[in-house]
Amino acid sequence: NAGVMQNPRHLVRRRGQEARLRCSPMKGHSHVYWYRQLPEEGLKFMVYLQKENIIDESGMPKERFSAEFPKEGPSILRIQQVVRGDSAAYFCASSPRPPSSGYTGELFFGEGSRLTVL
Amino acid sequence: TQLLEQSPQFLSIQEGENLTVYCNSSSVFSSLQWYRQEPGEGPVLLVTVVTGGEVKKLKRLTFQFGDARKDSSLHITAAQPGDTGLYLCAGAKQAGTALIFGKGTTLSVSS
Repeated sequence: NAGVMQNPRHLVRRRGQEARLRCSPMKGHSHVYWYRQLPEEGLKFMVYLQKENIIDESGMPKERFSAEFPKEGPSILRIQQVVRGDSAAYFCASSPRPPSSGYTGELFFGEGSRLTVL
Repeated sequence: TQLLEQSPQFLSIQEGENLTVYCNSSSVFSSLQWYRQEPGEGPVLLVTVVTGGEVKKLKRLTFQFGDARKDSSLHITAAQPGDTGLYLCAGAKQAGTALIFGKGTTLSVSS
C-alpha cells in the first residue's frame, strides 16, 4: 500500500494521559500536514512539516500539542495531558511539494486517527 | 471568519435529482480543489481548477472556477446514492502555505 498510513485508527485515552498519532507519508513525499476534524466544523489546519523542519504551526494550540517529522520514521502528532475537547478525528496528508507557481498542492490523505478522551 | 464559505451546509435529495454546491471567498486563489470524504475515511481529491472560468467534467460532476478566481461550484447531474458524502473545497492563501478547507457540504442521496 503506497498511500498515507496513519496509526492508530482509533485511540482512547483518559483525561491527563498522552496521545501519540503517527503518519507515514506516501513514498517520495516529503511534506506532511496535520488537520483536525470535528463534526460540522470541517478540516482545521494544525501544522505543516517537512523533514526535520516545522514550516507552519499557526493552527496548532500553543500548549500541550507538538509535532515532529524526523529524518527517519513517521511524523508524530503528540498531545499531552489530553482533555475531552481534544476528542476528534486527526488527519494526516502528504504532498511531494507545497503549492507554488508550478504545483497546485494536491493533498493525499490518510484514513485518520480517531481520538476519544474519556 | 471562514476564508472559504461553502453552501448549502446540508443537502438531502432523491436519486436522479440534480444539485449544485458552492464555494465562495472574498480572496483570490491561484487554484481551488474539491475533495469528497466518506464516513470513516480521509478526503479524496476530485479535481483541481486553475484558470478563471475553467470548467472541468468528471462523469456526472461538473466543476467551475469563477472568472475572478474567488469562487467555484460543483454540479452533479442525476445524483446517485453513491454520491453521498461530504464535499470540501480547499485552496492555499499563498504559495508555499498549507491548504485551507471550507466546512463542506454534506450530501445525502436516497434511493
